[in-house]
Amino acid sequence: GQNIDQPTEMTATEGAIVQINCTYQTSGFNGLFWYQQHAGEAPTFLSYNVLDGLEEKGRFSSFLSRSKGYSYLLLKELQMKDSASYLCAVNDYKLSFGAGTTVTVRA
Amino acid sequence: GAGVSQSPSNKVTEKGKDVELRCDPISGHTALYWYRQSLGQGLEFLIYFQGNSAPDKSGLPSDRFSAERTGGSVSTLTIQRTQQEDSAVYLCASSIPSRGGTRMNTEAFFGQGTRLTVV
Repeated sequence: GQNIDQPTEMTATEGAIVQINCTYQTSGFNGLFWYQQHAGEAPTFLSYNVLDGLEEKGRFSSFLSRSKGYSYLLLKELQMKDSASYLCAVNDYKLSFGAGTTVTVRA
Repeated sequence: GAGVSQSPSNKVTEKGKDVELRCDPISGHTALYWYRQSLGQGLEFLIYFQGNSAPDKSGLPSDRFSAERTGGSVSTLTIQRTQQEDSAVYLCASSIPSRGGTRMNTEAFFGQGTRLTVV
């Protein structure tokens, strides 16, 4: 089976940095995804890690350690529009999602 | 089409009625998922289709739920004798399946979902 854990909520100030952690225990591993979901909208792809290390894409970075079953999503220079739910998803042979972390950015 | 298309976008049905939800994936995507998302909750896996392989139905919550995928493309999720607890947004996603050990990006693309309300 799969077990994917991430914090329920996080709050940060505009311009700050927030790190969202995700730990997983899955029967297999073919990559880890981060998705962003604004309220009332469909999830959209943010990042993908299949090898250990850091993947950077603009203000967003994602890190993976396969030996530790651990990933984080780093959001830098937070903007109000970054207020959303962030979903960690592991692909063993299918995509399984964590419950999501709601990030609230305050002015 | 350019993206994953789901219909209807909204469905209100009476308790006990059957409903059908449709998903049209991105052309060429052989992997197709159905998820359910209740208000304020994460994505609950329902079923996974991959090419001609037998679908993974392990997430279907009861035998009232079934899904099929015709011709490796369009998929229909059917809920029989709907109950109020079935009210949720049903999301469909499609992707190219992963090949283990490569860096091929196999992101799933989501449709806008069908909001089902059972009254």
